[in-house]
This record gives sequence, structure tokens and C-alpha cells, in this order.
Amino acid sequence: DIQMTQSPSSLSASVGDRVTITCRASLTIAHYLNWYQQKPGKAPKLLIYTASTLQSGVPSRFSGSGSGTDFTLTISSLQPEDFGTYYCQQSFTTVRTFGQGTKVEIK
Amino acid sequence: EVQLLESGGGLVQPGGSLRLSCAASGFNFDTYAMSWVRQAPGKGLEWVSAISGSGLNTYFVDSVKGRFTVSRDNSKNTLYLQMNSLRVEDTAVYYCAKGVISHDFWGQGTLVTVSS
Repeated sequence: DIQMTQSPSSLSASVGDRVTITCRASLTIAHYLNWYQQKPGKAPKLLIYTASTLQSGVPSRFSGSGSGTDFTLTISSLQPEDFGTYYCQQSFTTVRTFGQGTKVEIK
Repeated sequence: EVQLLESGGGLVQPGGSLRLSCAASGFNFDTYAMSWVRQAPGKGLEWVSAISGSGLNTYFVDSVKGRFTVSRDNSKNTLYLQMNSLRVEDTAVYYCAKGVISHDFWGQGTLVTVSS
């Protein structure tokens, strides 16, 4: 199975900061990479699919980039409601795999 | 409005069985592949299984192959996950999710606890 590695595992940032989360695949996955946000006790929410396409209704401060093995999720100006854990997921192989998650806290 | 509602979770002993259901509404159920994703307490997300819209093609993570089966009844807009030979490590919240390339809608989850 393809392993997905996210960094950092956690971060603390201030409102208005630019935040970047990276995700690395153990094998090339083309552009088959999704990003999700999960808040405590809630189901995950799709933010970005196929590496860079913004899901309908998701604020434009979220963006995704990358292809092959290296991907990035960027929050251009962190807002108080952006706390939570962010996961990447590859959908290149029939067995999908998630990264271990990045916990984002607001200072 | 798309809605996914899981049910069937609960406490079961190791070696036991449980069937989860996911009732779908608000979209053409039979035209979409569906997936199951689980989350152990305090842990990350783990993709478990997927099934094509017709139900003819199914996929599983290695850790559940031979123990779990996935099916769907398109006449009832319902997805199922039959879990047999359950292990302590299967303890998790189980989510059903729409789609297989990406999951744009998720249910609220149902908790499965495997313990003696």
C-alpha cells in the first residue's frame, strides 16, 4: 500500500498567519490527492480534491498544490474556525490511504 | 440535501459479528460508489472498504479482507458493512462516505466496540 506522510504532526499559529501542511506519498500518485478537515467529534469535511480543486462551499483561503509524490495544503490567512485536524488521502490505488493527520491549533 | 445515516454499531465480543447500515438520501444512490472509513479512538482515519455503484466491484484494506463484506441495496438506498470475526483492534467509529475518488459527504458515524 502507498504510505502517506504528513508534516508537521501539529502546529500552533495566530489568526491571519499563512499555514502550510505537506503530504508526501511513498510512490507517485499523479494528482490523486485529497485534503480533509476534521473537528473534534465530527465527521471529516472535504476541502480539496485532485490536489488543487476547491470543494464547493470551501473558503478560497484554502488551496492545494503538488503532483507526483509531494503535495501542499495552504491556508492563506488562518481564521479562528480553522482549528482541527487535517488529513491528506491518496485515491490513486484501489486501497485508499490517509496521512496520519496534522493538528492545527489557534494561538 | 445529501444525507447519510449510519446505524448498527454497538458492543460485541471478540470473534463476534455486526452489520452496519448506511441509509442514503438526496442523491442518485445507484450512480455513486460508496466507501467505509473508520477511526479508532484518538487515532487517525483509516479507509476500510469501497463498493461500486452497481455493487459488482468491492475493495478492502488488507486488515479486514476475508472478515468484512460490503454490499448495497440500491432499491433501498442503503449501504451495508458485514463485519465477522471481529477483533479488539476493529474498535472504531465507522463512517460511510459518498464517492470513492474523494468523499464529498460523510455520515455522522457509528461506534463499534469490540471487547470482552
